[in-house]
Amino acid sequence: DGGITQSPKYLFRKEGQNVTLSCEQNLNHDAMYWYRQDPGQGLRLIYYSQIVNDFQKGDIAEGYSVSREKKESFPLTVTSAQKNPTAFYLCASSLTGGAGGNTIYFGEGSWLTVV
Amino acid sequence: AQSVTQLDSHVSVSEGTPVLLRCNYSSSYSPSLFWYVQHPNKGLQLLLKYTSAATLVKGINGFEAEFKKSETSFHLTKPSAHMSDAAEYFCVVSSMNTGFQKLVFGTGTRLLVSP
Repeated sequence: DGGITQSPKYLFRKEGQNVTLSCEQNLNHDAMYWYRQDPGQGLRLIYYSQIVNDFQKGDIAEGYSVSREKKESFPLTVTSAQKNPTAFYLCASSLTGGAGGNTIYFGEGSWLTVV
Repeated sequence: AQSVTQLDSHVSVSEGTPVLLRCNYSSSYSPSLFWYVQHPNKGLQLLLKYTSAATLVKGINGFEAEFKKSETSFHLTKPSAHMSDAAEYFCVVSSMNTGFQKLVFGTGTRLLVSP
């Protein structure tokens, strides 16, 4: 089945530690995205990539890093510089082009908790 | 700049009664609009989208929404609620910006369905 796979579902981070969230898609989409979701808020864009080996900062990129070495994969690293990383993280993908009406497909999400 | 306002943070209905989730948007040009649903600890699933075709859009699970330009609204409705409809619903406005599809999310409406 086509879709987006995020792992792990739950992750605990100690203070000062970097952690990486995995995102893999088999939809053959060029564009991939990382969003952060906090309770009572909508989703906020962390990073996005429209093509392999290229990515751009979103609205809240500080303390995060990404790579896009393969079309299918867009891992997110939460660094120790992110002071409040506890949140639900969602990876997404879509086709590119058009006038803004492309459907964006989401993974099942990953919970990150600082302990 | 684009924005989305979901007018109710919570809506409570009884099973079998109609559902109305309200959304107003602001956009300087004709937008694409989406409704997504999120069940607890899950990713977002597309319910329906408007992309400047028919103003009455039918989606999955019996939901529909009507684009009203004069009222800048895109309210989501369903004639008869089911227990499985209990979830968080997000209204989203989308646009293309230098080839990048930017989504602006509302803060969400939690739908509660009682027996």
